[in-house]
Amino acid sequence: DAGITQSPRYKITETGRQVTLMCHQTWSHSYMFWYRQDLGHGLRLIYYSAAADITDKGEVPDGYVVSRSKTENFPLTLESATRSQTSVYFCASSEKWTSNEQFFGPGTRLTVL
Amino acid sequence: GQNIDQPTEMTATEGAIVQINCTYQTSGFNGLFWYQQHAGEAPTFLSYNVLDGLEEKGRFSSFLSRSKGYSYLLLKELQMKDSASYLCAARTGGFKTIFGAGTRLFVKA
Repeated sequence: DAGITQSPRYKITETGRQVTLMCHQTWSHSYMFWYRQDLGHGLRLIYYSAAADITDKGEVPDGYVVSRSKTENFPLTLESATRSQTSVYFCASSEKWTSNEQFFGPGTRLTVL
Repeated sequence: GQNIDQPTEMTATEGAIVQINCTYQTSGFNGLFWYQQHAGEAPTFLSYNVLDGLEEKGRFSSFLSRSKGYSYLLLKELQMKDSASYLCAARTGGFKTIFGAGTRLFVKA
C-alpha cells in the first residue's frame, strides 16, 4: 500500500533488550524523522535523515541508533531498552526541505518492562 | 531555550467558534504548523504559516505574528468530529520542528 507504515504497531519488551522499530514509505521522500510522544511533552524529535546514508540527531537521541541504507526505510533501534523509553513512536516523512508538511506513520506503542 | 506553550484543554459547543492560542520562543524560526491528532492516531497536517497574517482553509484558519511569537488556530462551525488534540509546532533553524504538548479540544452537543 502507498504511504508510510510502521511495524510493529505494539511491542512489549524487557529492560536491556535490543528493539528495532521499522518505518517504510513509498513516496520516495528525501526526509524522514523519528519522534516519540509522551504525555505532557508532545512530540520530540529523536533523529532525522535528509537522504540515504545521511542522519542527524534531534532533541532526544540518547539510547537510540538509526540507519538509512535505502531511501524508503528508516529503522530506529533501541540498543538496550530502558523503562524511560516506554512511549509512542512516530515516523514521519517529507518530500524536501521546503515542504511544509510532514506525513506521519500510524505509530508504534512500545512498553519496556 | 526553545519553548512552545498552548493550553492543555479546551471545551466548546457544537456549531460554535473556538480559538486555540500558541506562543513560541525558538532559536531560529522558519514557520509555524498546526496538526490535528485524534486519540490513538497519527497527527495530520492542518496549516502552515511563515508570514504574518491569517490563512483560511475552509472551517479552519490560522494566524501568525512573528514579532509577538504568537499564533492561533480558529475553528468555525464546530463539529463533534473536531474533538481531538491540536498541536502547535515551530520549524526552527535547519530542518527541525519543535512541537508543543498539544491542546485537547472537547466538543459537546
